[in-house]
Amino acid sequence: DTEVTQTPKHLVMGMTNKKSLKCEQHMGHRAMYWYKQKAKKPPELMFVYSYEKLSINESVPSRFSPECPNSSLLNLHLHALQPEDSALYLCASSLSYEQYFGPGTRLTVT
Amino acid sequence: GQSLEQPSEVTAVEGAIVQINCTYQTSGFYGLSWYQQHDGGAPTFLSYNALDGLEETGRFSSFLSRSDSYGYLLLQELQMKDSASYFCAAKGGGGNKLTFGTGTQLKVEL
Repeated sequence: DTEVTQTPKHLVMGMTNKKSLKCEQHMGHRAMYWYKQKAKKPPELMFVYSYEKLSINESVPSRFSPECPNSSLLNLHLHALQPEDSALYLCASSLSYEQYFGPGTRLTVT
Repeated sequence: GQSLEQPSEVTAVEGAIVQINCTYQTSGFYGLSWYQQHDGGAPTFLSYNALDGLEETGRFSSFLSRSDSYGYLLLQELQMKDSASYFCAAKGGGGNKLTFGTGTQLKVEL
């Protein structure tokens, strides 16, 4: 199984809502990532978890809160987002240099 | 910091060969990867160079010159399905950090 799954596929939320994005992989990868991607732009790294511990936070605003409940799951909790946070949110996992990406959650903040 | 520059667009005809260049400035550089992303899709891994030289994977080859801080992706026997965005990505800067290049939109025409 070389698949990373993400739910939901699409999410529309208001600026006062709280929502969560979920990511799951069963490849035994111990590094997991969240990226944000705007249209026609490259993915931008947000967070890296290594062995279930947060190892990199790329100065992401606190309205984004990551969580790694276990080695297969990664969540991204969203609260009080701004319209400029609308983007494709990609989850990825890796064993070494190759990263496997999920299909992403397309988030729209209204 | 890290920055990777690519041409924004490349157009080629079906059956041709195309080269997508990537120049980088990074700290703690480990290697250069290439990813393909179709519109609405997730990035998928194509190739990785840790050492100088050419890596060949089917119709795709990738080259790295550390001394020149330069790499390229070579696509042979172009097919319409190769129309996509291509990103180089540098592994480095500590931990499992992957920084993506500016991206190249490849259009394959008949």
